[in-house]
Amino acid sequence: KNEVEQSPQNLTAQEGEFITINCSYSVGISALHWLQQHPGGGIVSLFMLSSGKKKHGRLIATINIQEKHSSLHITASHPRDSAVYICAVPAGGGADGLTFGKGTHLIIQP
Amino acid sequence: NAGVTQTPKFRILKIGQSMTLQCAQDMNHNYMYWYRQDPGMGLKLIYYSVGAGITDKGEVPNGYNVSRSTTEDFPLRLELAAPSQTSVYFCASAPLGYGQFFGPGTRLTVL
Repeated sequence: KNEVEQSPQNLTAQEGEFITINCSYSVGISALHWLQQHPGGGIVSLFMLSSGKKKHGRLIATINIQEKHSSLHITASHPRDSAVYICAVPAGGGADGLTFGKGTHLIIQP
Repeated sequence: NAGVTQTPKFRILKIGQSMTLQCAQDMNHNYMYWYRQDPGMGLKLIYYSVGAGITDKGEVPNGYNVSRSTTEDFPLRLELAAPSQTSVYFCASAPLGYGQFFGPGTRLTVL
């Protein structure tokens, strides 16, 4: 079973700061997911990546397969980025669901 | 497209009662999942399905049952509700090779 660790658990920053959230996992994977959970509870998939880097707006996700590590970066952070960010990896092989980290609770203060 | 829909949004059950959490998707995804989220814990996989007529257990299946008679629907059944099943339940669907699309969740309390 893959174990997923995220750090930090909680992060408070000022608007405009560069944010980094880290994720490490124990077993080699085909792809890693980053998700965002809003204060209202809804979950949105941000990225699925298997190598290198992906960028969407102010969000950047990177993965190092050899080191079993991924980072999610937010540039020019804004209060609307306040949410829980969750890293997830395949539970086993194929389509058998995801194993999730406990999430990073991010608060961006104006 | 409505995406992934879940009903009800909230429910309070008494110990021993039964209920079905409904999940439907209109994106023609083969893969569907049920997760539960407890406070301070990561989401955990309850059951999943790779297509109509095919289901399999996830990490925490005890106390639950599922069926998948159509591509669109994936209901989750609680037969004898227990306080340990108090949680937020999320249904998700996915096409092959892409990220998962989550429903809005059902908040269940068992008293």
